[in-house]
Amino acid sequence: GENVEQHPSTLSVQEGDSAVIKCTYSDSASNYFPWYKQELGKRPQLIIDIRSNVGEKKDQRIAVTLNKTAKHFSLHITETQPEDSAVYFCAASVPNYGGSQGNLIFGKGTKLSVKP
Amino acid sequence: EAQVTQNPRYLITVTGKKLTVTCSQNMNHEYMSWYRQDPGLGLRQIYYSMNVEVTDKGDVPEGYKVSRKEKRNFPLILESPSPNQTSLYFCASSLWSAPGTGEQYFGPGTRLTVT
Repeated sequence: GENVEQHPSTLSVQEGDSAVIKCTYSDSASNYFPWYKQELGKRPQLIIDIRSNVGEKKDQRIAVTLNKTAKHFSLHITETQPEDSAVYFCAASVPNYGGSQGNLIFGKGTKLSVKP
Repeated sequence: EAQVTQNPRYLITVTGKKLTVTCSQNMNHEYMSWYRQDPGLGLRQIYYSMNVEVTDKGDVPEGYKVSRKEKRNFPLILESPSPNQTSLYFCASSLWSAPGTGEQYFGPGTRLTVT
């Protein structure tokens, strides 16, 4: 089955610097790659996602890139702010029969700390 | 207000005592899912359901049961809980559609302790 590896497990940056989190996946059939942010004591929330027919997607300070050949995708946060501090999870979705969203496999998470 | 609700939010129980964690969504979503979250292991999918009466195993289904008799509800059943099922559980729902529009909305979580 699908396996998602996420690195690093912890990341500390200065406010204003960029942060990059990388994930690799094993199943070439995976076709949907969301990123979730989980603040302390709260539920995960989607921050950005990308489909397998797209190489890059950007939303203000957040961007995601996907390399299907190498089976890896990355989250880029620019101009980090203290409120970006949280645990970030990548995930990969293996489509079910009919092409719908099936099993969603998460990485183990990256704890990002942004120091003011 | 569009939301996913879970009950109870906190539960302490003993080994072997059957329990049910309820999950309900008011967004008319077809897809619903259960996850457990453990330190250092991230979120692991237990079961998911693509529609009423359609369920499938996730990564860690052992020791759990689910049912989907109505579109809005997706209860998680632990027939005989054991201490290794102590965890934080999240229910989530999303539209059933082609990948790329499947944002999952998570419930607030249920912290379960099995002694």
